[in-house]
Amino acid sequence: SQTIHQWPATLVQPVGSPLSLECTVEGTSNPNLYWYRQAAGRGLQLLFYSVGIGQISSEVPQNLSASRPQDRQFILSSKKLLLSDSGFYLCAWETVNTEAFFGQGTRLTVV
Amino acid sequence: QKEVEQNSGPLSVPEGAIASLNCTYSDRGSQSFFWYRQYSGKSPELIMFIYSNGDKEDGRFTAQLNKASQYVSLLIRDSQPSDSATYLCAASAGGTSYGKLTFGQGTILTVHP
Repeated sequence: SQTIHQWPATLVQPVGSPLSLECTVEGTSNPNLYWYRQAAGRGLQLLFYSVGIGQISSEVPQNLSASRPQDRQFILSSKKLLLSDSGFYLCAWETVNTEAFFGQGTRLTVV
Repeated sequence: QKEVEQNSGPLSVPEGAIASLNCTYSDRGSQSFFWYRQYSGKSPELIMFIYSNGDKEDGRFTAQLNKASQYVSLLIRDSQPSDSATYLCAASAGGTSYGKLTFGQGTILTVHP
């Protein structure tokens, strides 16, 4: 069966520090991968998606970047965090004609 | 700009009642619609999806879609306290990709004993 791993679960980082969040998927090949963010009291916003290795599409301009170095690995990064980067970050995957499944999320607090 | 609108609530219903959650969307190109449930501090989990006009039933849940009115709803029959959560409505442009979603802000549902 397919599983998605996302870590860390929680993270507290100072303003200006770098960020790296990782997501891996098991049990499937060539998934579409997504990074979403949920700010406090708001709905999920799509940040990035990837349909293959090295293929990244950005949905909104921001202080973040994404990379997909392997088929089932998706990384979210920042060189310098802002207070506004705080939120609940969710990785999701799907394959052709399946719904999207979410990882357990990373709660990031920038202080 | 593609938008999905939900009544943020909170919606409070007694145990055993029917809870009705509503959602409207602005993009007529949206093809598929999803209802996710999110417990506090947890990630969303899919309840149902619908892409054809009409009703779709799954156990205690019924999703309704009216593309002419750009309206989606979720009915929860025999509501239980365990149904208390935030319900997220999402729209997808469809095709073969259901992960590129536009979400509403969510409706908080409380089912009280």
